Amino acid sequence: SQQGEEDPQALSIQEGENATMNCSYKTSINNLQWYRQNSGRGLVHLILIRSNEREKHSGRLRVTLDTSKKSSSLLITASRAADTASYFCAIETGANNLFFGTGTRLTVIP
Amino acid sequence: EPEVTQTPSHQVTQMGQEVILRCVPISNHLYFYWYRQILGQKVEFLVSFYNNEISEKSEIFDDQFSVERPDGSNFTLKIRSTKLEDSAMYFCATRVGYQETQYFGPGTRLLVL
Repeated sequence: SQQGEEDPQALSIQEGENATMNCSYKTSINNLQWYRQNSGRGLVHLILIRSNEREKHSGRLRVTLDTSKKSSSLLITASRAADTASYFCAIETGANNLFFGTGTRLTVIP
Repeated sequence: EPEVTQTPSHQVTQMGQEVILRCVPISNHLYFYWYRQILGQKVEFLVSFYNNEISEKSEIFDDQFSVERPDGSNFTLKIRSTKLEDSAMYFCATRVGYQETQYFGPGTRLLVL
């Protein structure tokens, strides 16, 4: 399977805490992207990390990529109740199509 | 900020009927995609489209599915004879050629009865 797989499947934290989600995959990739989805809504692109990059930051988001372990992590610092959503990793292989994981459901408790 | 839009937001149809889902890409985007998400499951790639032809399609995208860009702006997904298992959220995504990021529309929720 080319798809990414996230863990944990669900994560519940207190507001202000950090949230870490992991993604593993099985094939070679061009890049890995993280998306957010509020319940029943569309997918919002958060951040993209290329295969030759190891770490990227965007605001409160920090993404790491370890191509030797075929894994990535998404860290959300100082979480807010509005961060409650499902988070998906998606890998892009040579065909430019995205293969999504099953997602991590994050709940931030105010 | 420009957005991908999709219509309708919801569609209910009878099994065997044809449906057309529409997407308006961001204006300077050249690559177009359809994905679907069955309730509670992962987002699945259906098809990619560039330069007025299909670039790639998945196993899901069988002969019942077709895509076109009839007027140079709208990008449509047609399901010729819907089945119960076609019930899902269908997402359109587009991207500019020189960037990898795909921008997703809000989706069309299709329910086949």
